[in-house]
Amino acid sequence: KNQVEQSPQSLIILEGKNCTLQCNYTVSPFSNLRWYKQDTGRGPVSLTIMTFSENTKSNGRYTATLDADTKQSSLHITASQLSDSASYICVVSDRGSTLGRLYFGRGTQLTVWP
Amino acid sequence: NAGVTQTPKFQVLKTGQSMTLQCAQDMNHEYMSWYRQDPGMGLRLIHYSVGAGITDQGEVPNGYNVSRSTTEDFPLRLLSAAPSQTSVYFCASSYSFIASGNTEAFFGQGTRLTVV
Repeated sequence: KNQVEQSPQSLIILEGKNCTLQCNYTVSPFSNLRWYKQDTGRGPVSLTIMTFSENTKSNGRYTATLDADTKQSSLHITASQLSDSASYICVVSDRGSTLGRLYFGRGTQLTVWP
Repeated sequence: NAGVTQTPKFQVLKTGQSMTLQCAQDMNHEYMSWYRQDPGMGLRLIHYSVGAGITDQGEVPNGYNVSRSTTEDFPLRLLSAAPSQTSVYFCASSYSFIASGNTEAFFGQGTRLTVV
């Protein structure tokens, strides 16, 4: 069964600290993996998209890694800011069907305290 | 550049009422889709469309209808609202199939629906 599991479910860190969020998936055949940031009451906004051949991609203070062999990804946030408080969602897509589909993780709720 | 616009932002319905959630995009995207987000669960696909006049069912289509008469608009209709349809609904659009390659997907800000 295709699944996306994220950990931890929630995380609290102090402003300025770094943190790493984890994503494990069983989606096969794999097409790409995305990390989204979802602020409270808003729609998800894309941070990174990685295909099979990419193992790291950065977007400012956000760095995503992908290990397609172990089916794991991480999102590292450097020098956290209060505005980083949000839910971070890992999304994996397959290429098994004509259109492919997205599998959403349940998200990691990050809270950054001053 | 408005991106993906959803209306209304909030709605309360009584059981059995019908309503339409609106979604419009101004990016000339072919692919549009509707998701629902429930507490503790990932987003789930309701319906999607690969172009004007073409729609198909997603993972949880029961109780919802869609149509795509234009490239810009993709309304979601609740035929007879039920408490189980209480959720946050997101519309998304992308230039091409949402799961392919590096296709970027853009989400609306969501409609929070409560059915009492």
